[in-house]
Amino acid sequence: AQSVTQLGSHVSVSEGALVLLRCNYSSSVPPYLFWYVQYPNQGLQLLLKYTTGATLVKGINGFEAEFKKSETSFHLTKPSAHMSDAAEYFCAVSDRNGYSTLTFGKGTMLLVSP
Amino acid sequence: DVKVTQSSRYLVKRTGEKVFLECVQDMDHENMFWYRQDPGLGLRLIYFSYDVKMKEKGDIPEGYSVSREKKERFSLILESASTNQTSMYLCASSQTGGGYTFGSGTRLTVV
Repeated sequence: AQSVTQLGSHVSVSEGALVLLRCNYSSSVPPYLFWYVQYPNQGLQLLLKYTTGATLVKGINGFEAEFKKSETSFHLTKPSAHMSDAAEYFCAVSDRNGYSTLTFGKGTMLLVSP
Repeated sequence: DVKVTQSSRYLVKRTGEKVFLECVQDMDHENMFWYRQDPGLGLRLIYFSYDVKMKEKGDIPEGYSVSREKKERFSLILESASTNQTSMYLCASSQTGGGYTFGSGTRLTVV
Protein backbone atom coordinates (compact mmCIF):
# COMPACT_ATOMS: atom_id res chain seq x y z
CA ALA A 1 0.00 0.00 0.00
CA GLN A 2 1.12 3.51 -0.71
CA SER A 3 0.73 6.62 1.38
CA VAL A 4 1.68 10.28 1.27
CA THR A 5 2.34 12.63 4.16
CA GLN A 6 2.38 16.37 3.62
CA LEU A 7 3.85 18.23 6.58
CA GLY A 8 1.80 21.28 7.45
CA SER A 9 -1.78 21.86 6.39
CA HIS A 10 -0.96 25.57 5.99
CA VAL A 11 2.29 27.29 5.06
CA SER A 12 2.65 31.08 5.12
CA VAL A 13 5.38 32.99 3.28
CA SER A 14 6.01 36.58 2.28
CA GLU A 15 6.10 37.59 -1.36
CA GLY A 16 9.64 37.04 -2.64
CA ALA A 17 10.51 34.43 -0.01
CA LEU A 18 11.45 30.81 -0.61
CA VAL A 19 8.57 28.36 -0.86
CA LEU A 20 9.13 24.87 0.59
CA LEU A 21 6.29 22.37 0.75
CA ARG A 22 7.19 19.01 2.22
CA CYS A 23 6.09 15.61 0.99
CA ASN A 24 7.12 12.16 2.20
CA TYR A 25 5.82 8.98 0.66
CA SER A 26 5.65 5.30 1.41
CA SER A 27 5.69 2.79 -1.40
CA SER A 28 6.69 -0.85 -1.66
CA VAL A 29 7.77 -0.39 -5.27
CA PRO A 30 9.62 2.39 -7.11
CA PRO A 31 7.17 5.24 -7.26
CA TYR A 32 5.95 7.78 -9.71
CA LEU A 33 5.57 11.10 -7.86
CA PHE A 34 3.45 14.13 -8.66
CA TRP A 35 2.64 17.61 -7.42
CA TYR A 36 -0.69 19.19 -8.26
CA VAL A 37 -2.02 22.69 -7.57
CA GLN A 38 -5.63 23.65 -6.98
CA TYR A 39 -6.87 27.22 -7.22
CA PRO A 40 -10.19 28.13 -5.56
CA ASN A 41 -13.23 26.47 -7.13
CA GLN A 42 -11.15 24.69 -9.75
CA GLY A 43 -9.91 21.18 -10.43
CA LEU A 44 -6.33 20.07 -9.89
CA GLN A 45 -3.60 21.05 -12.33
CA LEU A 46 -0.36 19.09 -12.76
CA LEU A 47 2.71 21.09 -11.64
CA LEU A 48 5.38 18.47 -12.22
CA LYS A 49 6.07 14.76 -12.08
CA TYR A 50 8.94 12.34 -11.49
CA THR A 51 8.93 9.03 -13.30
CA THR A 52 12.52 8.05 -14.14
CA GLY A 53 15.84 9.73 -14.85
CA ALA A 54 16.95 13.03 -13.33
CA THR A 55 15.87 13.35 -9.73
CA LEU A 56 15.50 17.14 -9.89
CA VAL A 57 12.31 17.87 -11.79
CA LYS A 58 11.28 21.27 -13.08
CA GLY A 59 7.64 22.18 -13.49
CA ILE A 60 5.44 25.07 -14.45
CA ASN A 61 5.39 28.50 -12.81
CA GLY A 62 9.01 28.19 -11.57
CA PHE A 63 8.41 25.25 -9.23
CA GLU A 64 10.75 22.30 -8.90
CA ALA A 65 10.99 19.17 -6.78
CA GLU A 66 13.73 16.70 -5.96
CA PHE A 67 13.21 12.96 -5.55
CA LYS A 68 15.33 11.66 -2.68
CA LYS A 69 14.99 7.91 -2.44
CA SER A 70 17.02 7.62 0.78
CA GLU A 71 14.70 10.08 2.50
CA THR A 72 11.52 8.93 0.70
CA SER A 73 10.84 12.59 0.03
CA PHE A 74 9.67 14.73 -2.86
CA HIS A 75 9.65 18.30 -1.52
CA LEU A 76 8.37 21.15 -3.70
CA THR A 77 10.30 24.43 -3.85
CA LYS A 78 10.20 27.80 -5.56
CA PRO A 79 12.93 30.41 -5.01
CA SER A 80 10.64 33.45 -4.86
CA ALA A 81 6.94 33.37 -4.02
CA HIS A 82 4.39 35.41 -5.95
CA MET A 83 0.94 36.39 -4.76
CA SER A 84 -0.48 34.27 -7.57
CA ASP A 85 1.08 31.14 -6.01
CA ALA A 86 -1.50 31.18 -3.21
CA ALA A 87 -3.38 27.91 -3.66
CA GLU A 88 -3.63 24.40 -2.28
CA TYR A 89 -0.91 21.94 -3.25
CA PHE A 90 -1.23 18.17 -3.33
CA CYS A 91 1.53 15.58 -3.48
CA ALA A 92 0.63 12.20 -4.97
CA VAL A 93 2.26 8.81 -5.52
CA SER A 94 1.51 5.89 -7.79
CA ASP A 95 3.32 2.62 -8.34
CA ARG A 96 4.81 1.64 -11.68
CA ASN A 97 2.60 -1.29 -12.43
CA GLY A 98 0.45 -1.16 -15.51
CA TYR A 99 -2.80 -0.31 -13.81
CA SER A 100 -2.20 2.13 -11.02
CA THR A 101 -4.08 4.78 -9.14
CA LEU A 102 -2.82 7.92 -7.49
CA THR A 103 -2.76 8.22 -3.72
CA PHE A 104 -2.90 11.85 -2.61
CA GLY A 105 -1.70 13.63 0.47
CA LYS A 106 -4.14 15.77 2.42
CA GLY A 107 -2.89 18.96 0.86
CA THR A 108 -1.01 22.07 1.97
CA MET A 109 -2.55 25.51 1.64
CA LEU A 110 0.06 28.07 0.65
CA LEU A 111 -0.65 31.60 1.88
CA VAL A 112 1.38 34.47 0.41
CA SER A 113 1.43 37.85 2.13
CA PRO A 114 2.58 41.12 0.56
CA ASP B 1 -5.38 20.40 -24.59
CA VAL B 2 -6.89 17.40 -22.89
CA LYS B 3 -10.25 18.27 -21.52
CA VAL B 4 -12.22 16.59 -18.81
CA THR B 5 -15.69 18.03 -18.56
CA GLN B 6 -18.00 17.58 -15.63
CA SER B 7 -21.59 18.36 -16.49
CA SER B 8 -22.44 20.46 -13.42
CA ARG B 9 -20.38 22.85 -11.30
CA TYR B 10 -22.97 23.09 -8.52
CA LEU B 11 -25.77 20.71 -7.66
CA VAL B 12 -28.33 20.66 -4.85
CA LYS B 13 -30.28 17.46 -4.25
CA ARG B 14 -32.64 16.16 -1.62
CA THR B 15 -31.95 13.26 0.73
CA GLY B 16 -32.97 9.97 -0.87
CA GLU B 17 -32.75 11.18 -4.45
CA LYS B 18 -30.82 9.23 -7.06
CA VAL B 19 -28.04 11.48 -8.34
CA PHE B 20 -26.02 11.20 -11.54
CA LEU B 21 -22.69 12.99 -11.98
CA GLU B 22 -21.39 12.92 -15.53
CA CYS B 23 -17.81 13.15 -16.76
CA VAL B 24 -16.55 13.21 -20.34
CA GLN B 25 -12.95 13.26 -21.63
CA ASP B 26 -11.86 13.99 -25.17
CA MET B 27 -8.36 12.49 -25.40
CA ASP B 28 -9.09 8.76 -25.73
CA HIS B 29 -7.66 7.99 -22.28
CA GLU B 30 -8.09 4.44 -21.08
CA ASN B 31 -8.39 5.27 -17.40
CA MET B 32 -11.01 7.33 -15.60
CA PHE B 33 -11.45 8.07 -11.92
CA TRP B 34 -13.89 9.58 -9.44
CA TYR B 35 -12.61 11.22 -6.27
CA ARG B 36 -14.32 13.17 -3.55
CA GLN B 37 -12.55 16.03 -1.84
CA ASP B 38 -13.30 17.13 1.70
CA PRO B 39 -11.48 19.73 3.83
CA GLY B 40 -8.67 18.16 5.84
CA LEU B 41 -9.11 14.77 4.17
CA GLY B 42 -7.63 15.47 0.75
CA LEU B 43 -8.82 13.43 -2.22
CA ARG B 44 -10.26 9.98 -1.68
CA LEU B 45 -10.81 7.53 -4.50
CA ILE B 46 -14.37 6.30 -4.95
CA TYR B 47 -14.25 4.21 -8.15
CA PHE B 48 -12.08 3.89 -11.21
CA SER B 49 -12.21 2.24 -14.60
CA TYR B 50 -9.49 0.94 -16.92
CA ASP B 51 -11.73 0.09 -19.83
CA VAL B 52 -15.26 0.26 -21.14
CA LYS B 53 -17.72 -1.65 -18.95
CA MET B 54 -14.97 -2.26 -16.42
CA LYS B 55 -14.97 -0.80 -12.91
CA GLU B 56 -12.98 -1.18 -9.74
CA LYS B 57 -13.76 -0.04 -6.21
CA GLY B 58 -11.56 2.59 -4.67
CA ASP B 59 -11.13 3.40 -1.01
CA ILE B 60 -14.67 4.65 -0.27
CA PRO B 61 -17.16 3.01 -2.68
CA GLU B 62 -20.02 2.61 -0.21
CA GLY B 63 -23.15 4.42 -1.32
CA TYR B 64 -21.86 4.93 -4.87
CA SER B 65 -21.88 3.08 -8.16
CA VAL B 66 -20.46 3.90 -11.59
CA SER B 67 -21.13 3.29 -15.25
CA ARG B 68 -18.79 3.30 -18.23
CA GLU B 69 -20.68 2.38 -21.37
CA LYS B 70 -18.40 4.41 -23.68
CA LYS B 71 -14.67 5.04 -23.41
CA GLU B 72 -15.05 8.81 -23.09
CA ARG B 73 -17.80 8.87 -20.45
CA PHE B 74 -17.68 7.84 -16.80
CA SER B 75 -20.73 8.40 -14.61
CA LEU B 76 -20.92 8.41 -10.83
CA ILE B 77 -24.25 7.43 -9.31
CA LEU B 78 -25.43 8.11 -5.80
CA GLU B 79 -28.15 5.49 -5.37
CA SER B 80 -29.87 7.30 -2.48
CA ALA B 81 -28.21 10.58 -1.62
CA SER B 82 -27.44 11.32 2.01
CA THR B 83 -26.20 14.45 3.73
CA ASN B 84 -22.79 12.88 4.38
CA GLN B 85 -22.30 12.75 0.62
CA THR B 86 -22.21 16.55 0.46
CA SER B 87 -18.78 17.14 -1.03
CA MET B 88 -16.72 18.25 -4.01
CA TYR B 89 -16.55 15.49 -6.61
CA LEU B 90 -13.62 15.41 -9.03
CA CYS B 91 -13.35 13.32 -12.16
CA ALA B 92 -9.99 12.58 -13.80
CA SER B 93 -8.62 10.66 -16.75
CA SER B 94 -5.18 9.35 -17.66
CA GLN B 95 -3.14 7.19 -19.95
CA THR B 96 -1.66 4.21 -18.12
CA GLY B 97 1.46 5.31 -16.20
CA GLY B 98 0.78 8.99 -16.76
CA GLY B 99 -0.48 11.82 -14.63
CA TYR B 100 -4.11 12.66 -14.29
CA THR B 101 -6.08 15.40 -16.00
CA PHE B 102 -8.86 16.66 -13.76
CA GLY B 103 -12.21 18.22 -14.45
CA SER B 104 -13.26 21.41 -12.67
CA GLY B 105 -15.31 19.52 -10.10
CA THR B 106 -18.94 19.31 -9.07
CA ARG B 107 -19.88 20.72 -5.69
CA LEU B 108 -22.81 18.62 -4.49
CA THR B 109 -24.98 19.65 -1.60
CA VAL B 110 -27.51 17.15 -0.22
CA VAL B 111 -30.24 18.72 1.90
